[in-house]
Amino acid sequence: AQSVTQLGSHVSVSEGALVLLRCNYSSSVPPYLFWYVQYPNQGLQLLLKYTTGATLVKGINGFEAEFKKSETSFHLTKPSAHMSDAAEYFCAVRTTSGYSTLTFGKGTMLLVSP
Amino acid sequence: ETGVTQSPTHLIKTRGQQVTLRCSSQSGHNTVSWYQQALGQGPQFIFQYYREEENGRGNFPPRFSGLQFPNYSSELNVNALELDDSALYLCASSLDGLEETQYFGPGTRLLVL
Repeated sequence: AQSVTQLGSHVSVSEGALVLLRCNYSSSVPPYLFWYVQYPNQGLQLLLKYTTGATLVKGINGFEAEFKKSETSFHLTKPSAHMSDAAEYFCAVRTTSGYSTLTFGKGTMLLVSP
Repeated sequence: ETGVTQSPTHLIKTRGQQVTLRCSSQSGHNTVSWYQQALGQGPQFIFQYYREEENGRGNFPPRFSGLQFPNYSSELNVNALELDDSALYLCASSLDGLEETQYFGPGTRLLVL
């Protein structure tokens, strides 16, 4: 069975500082991994995904994530935070059992202060 | 290209009532998945429809049911509403049952009193 653990329900950074959101996964098959962002009162927007190939994945809005199989991690980073990055971020792993769906972590709220 | 849309945006019901939520998938997508997101939690998979058939189901009771229509739009029905059903209900569409990328709609927020 697949599962996702996101360390830290809240992360606070200053504008311009490095953003690091942590995600560890458990999967019995080669994982496909995703990061989604959710702004207040909105649905989920795909930031980036890892399926196969290059382990450093670049996404939208300057975010990137690195798949590390040995650490079962897929941490999300951004070199310089903007106020507009304040949102909730969800890490997810694809679940396959004859069909494909997503298992999500509990989310990390990113707070950005001026 | 039209994205995923959901209706209504908000809904208030009382315990024991029934509710129907609607979702229109992204153009060209034939698979719809439904998720429940309780306050402060990540989305949880309810079920998936592929070409009008239920393709998979999460750990939700039978009072959660669904339909997919020939145009691939979908409905989520919940009978005998309970207070714990209060949540944001998200619909996601994808190209087929094994497509890894799901695109989400804005959700329907349901409040059960």
